[in-house]
Amino acid sequence: DTEVTQTPKHLVMGMTNKKSLKCEQHMGHRAMYWYKQKAKKPPELMFVYSYEKLSINESVPSRFSPECPNSSLLNLHLHALQPEDSALYLCASSQETRQIYEQYFGPGTRLTVT
Amino acid sequence: AQRVTQPEKLLSVFKGAPVELKCNYSYSGSPELFWYVQYSRQRLQLLLRHISRESIKGFTADLNKGETSFHLKKPFAQEEDSAMYYCALQLATNKLIFGTGTLLAVQP
Repeated sequence: DTEVTQTPKHLVMGMTNKKSLKCEQHMGHRAMYWYKQKAKKPPELMFVYSYEKLSINESVPSRFSPECPNSSLLNLHLHALQPEDSALYLCASSQETRQIYEQYFGPGTRLTVT
Repeated sequence: AQRVTQPEKLLSVFKGAPVELKCNYSYSGSPELFWYVQYSRQRLQLLLRHISRESIKGFTADLNKGETSFHLKKPFAQEEDSAMYYCALQLATNKLIFGTGTLLAVQP
């Protein structure tokens, strides 16, 4: 299995809702990433997990809460989002972070906040 | 500050014509540069990594440290090359900084 999978594909949520995005990989990678991609813009890094520990938080608002329950799973918990948070959320994984490795991207979850 | 610049938002060429997608970077350390591609309705995927010096799908890219450039080239464009191309700089922390992307449109 050489893919990163993400669920759901699409999500519509109100500003008072709580929802979660899920990402999974079975390549034995020990680094996982969340990116945010607005329309017609490049992906922007949000979080990096290395060996299940948060190693980079790019000053993301606390309404986004990442979680890495094990080496294969990465979640992004969403609460009290704003309409400007609507975007494509991409998950990626790589072998690890101590050397430069290729990142493998998932298909993304398209989030709409109403 | 670290930065990746792709000056062309859109590049339109005819099938069989040569293609060059420009990428310039700003980084004080030793750069690790990549080209990622996103075909229509597909996920972002790696096309080239400068350190491997491979040719993938006929594309090549040479790192020019003097000009701080990593341009992507292909001698003869094919229609199936139409896609969004992102140049990216990977830092030692494994943070990827993407350029703004160039949409390549290959006309029949």
